[in-house]
Amino acid sequence: DTAVSQTPKYLVTQMGNDKSIKCEQNLGHDTMYWYKQDSKKFLKIMFSYNNKELIINETVPNRFSPKSPDKAHLNLHINSLELGDSAVYFCASSQDSMGLGSYQETQYFGPGTRLLVL
Amino acid sequence: SQELEQSPQSLIVQEGKNLTINCTSSKTLYGLYWYKQKYGEGLIFLMMLQKGGEEKSHEKITAKLDEKKQQSSLHITASQPSHAGIYLCGADTGNQFYFGTGTSLTVIP
Repeated sequence: DTAVSQTPKYLVTQMGNDKSIKCEQNLGHDTMYWYKQDSKKFLKIMFSYNNKELIINETVPNRFSPKSPDKAHLNLHINSLELGDSAVYFCASSQDSMGLGSYQETQYFGPGTRLLVL
Repeated sequence: SQELEQSPQSLIVQEGKNLTINCTSSKTLYGLYWYKQKYGEGLIFLMMLQKGGEEKSHEKITAKLDEKKQQSSLHITASQPSHAGIYLCGADTGNQFYFGTGTSLTVIP
């Protein structure tokens, strides 16, 4: 069974379009994340949700809006796509049952969504 | 089976001791990345290795890439409580990026 799944795996779209990437985890985790992987393969965190509440919101354009209908899902909606949005987006989850603080949990990653904006 | 295996899964060491974490890929590596997971900040990038035999160091952390074995090791010298956390490796196999299973490190003062 897939622990963290993302759909679609590939997404090719025109500049200016609005698109969504879905993420689901069946691990029963409380915290989910979205990362953007740049051209050098470095990962940068974008958002983090704990029990459907936003806890990390890094400096990303307002065009990016995460939505968490329940704690097993964290979808990423992108409005007015730009060329610079082309990247691989990774979803991850962790069992942060201890809540905010110094407790560290292993993050489990999805397979990534490769977004190409033309 | 995992494309990227990390060992050990967890590690408890006394402060001042040296330790090694391994990351083995089932595919040819074009790049190997080491991260430290920190809650509230996401992944923290530590080092990237691309060439066979490459070795990089930052403070007391050294990472090596053995391209032939499709393996990388992360070595911490004279561990400190600040080194505690989850260490994760990531592998670029050319057309896919995989993550390891993570190694939880506890350093006892």
